[in-house]
Amino acid sequence: EVQLVESGGALVQPGRSLRLSCTASGFSFGDYAMSWVRQAPGKGLEWVGFIRSKAYGGTTEYAASVKGRFTISRDDSKSIAYLQMNSLKIEDTAVYYCTRDWIQLWLPGSGYWGQGTLVTVSS
Amino acid sequence: QSALTQPASVSGSPGQSITISCTGTSSDVGNYNYVSWYQQHPGKAPKLMIYEVSNRPSGVSNRFSGSKSGNTASLTISGLQAEDEADYYCSSYTSTSTVVFGGGTKLTVL
Repeated sequence: EVQLVESGGALVQPGRSLRLSCTASGFSFGDYAMSWVRQAPGKGLEWVGFIRSKAYGGTTEYAASVKGRFTISRDDSKSIAYLQMNSLKIEDTAVYYCTRDWIQLWLPGSGYWGQGTLVTVSS
Repeated sequence: QSALTQPASVSGSPGQSITISCTGTSSDVGNYNYVSWYQQHPGKAPKLMIYEVSNRPSGVSNRFSGSKSGNTASLTISGLQAEDEADYYCSSYTSTSTVVFGGGTKLTVL
């Protein structure tokens, strides 16, 4: 059974940094692209970015709203994906979800979701 | 990349059918068959209902179906049930190798 568990959410001041983790199990983690999606309180879903598997270059893509501030990485030996968030803004306050596509190895889809972790940016 | 356009709300009575539209551009919905639909109940993580335009994951009721014509994708729910009341989101892969979501549609079962 595919499981994704996010951790690391916290209350943080504007301008500070935070790193989220997504621990995966139940599948061959290294074979799949992994994505992050967020949802601000009372708002809709917003795609944050994704990291390709090493077979597809291990490269990353980001939404314009986080490009240059957020970095996604992965440790295939530990089956963990990370979201490093720098220069946090109040508008980054959201539940952050880790996701994986339902069947495609390369697609930044969201067939499987974690339970989410809350990041609150406030002074 | 602008968000895909969905109606803010739709409603229907039990047993009826409803359709939710999702309009994008030739850079996303119109050019890729990687459109997905998600159901989200309050306080819960989204759940995949349709992937690659019209495919249902295992365990999803066949009352849910998806289609696409040009730049617009659609989700149809037939035989509406009270448990279908939720927020629904569409998403699409894009020409810049990113993903864009729709703004979401609140479904009310009357």
